[in-house]
Amino acid sequence: GQQVMQIPQYQHVQEGEDFTTYCNSSTTLSNIQWYKQRPGGHPVFLIQLVKSGEVKKQKRLTFQFGEAKKNSSLHITATQTTDVGTYFCAGLRIYNQGGKLIFGQGTELSVKP
Amino acid sequence: DSGVTQTPKHLITATGQRVTLRCSPRSGDLSVYWYQQSLDQGLQFLIQYYNGEERAKGNILERFSAQQFPDLHSELNLSSLELGDSALYFCASSERGQNTGELFFGEGSRLTVL
Repeated sequence: GQQVMQIPQYQHVQEGEDFTTYCNSSTTLSNIQWYKQRPGGHPVFLIQLVKSGEVKKQKRLTFQFGEAKKNSSLHITATQTTDVGTYFCAGLRIYNQGGKLIFGQGTELSVKP
Repeated sequence: DSGVTQTPKHLITATGQRVTLRCSPRSGDLSVYWYQQSLDQGLQFLIQYYNGEERAKGNILERFSAQQFPDLHSELNLSSLELGDSALYFCASSERGQNTGELFFGEGSRLTVL
């Protein structure tokens, strides 16, 4: 079945260092979404990318959608302790009258002050 | 606060039992999704309903079932529970039926099977 693979599983950085998580799908995606889950919390929507090659920025966060719409990345510049949490990508594949939003395994980010 | 309400927040039960998890979507949202999150696991898609009808199905076990009622709230029924069913169950809602918008997640229901 459709899989969305996300790497790395864990990333430990020093505050101020950059961080990147990568997401790859076995099939072409209609769109990709990114979510952040703080420890003990629930996933919270960050952004959605729809177009091939799309790049979006939110302050220190940069999101990219690959040309083939099969991969995506999230890059955080100069991490802060508030960035701690698990970042999930979620790929949407639409079929028939429905669609499945399949989440990657997530990348857990810890930031050492 | 996402506007999605899930009850109960915590549930402890024994193997072989049956439980029902309840979800009230955000006001106006027609789609409800159920996800399972186990320790060190990502979010496993279980099932989606749109305006009362099943729209998409994931890796949902036959022991599990769900439905969405006319008032749009949804219930996830888990039966013949096994130890491995212990997990955090999230409900999410969105406006549209084809997942083209963001999902709003509830706080989750943490199920512990002993």
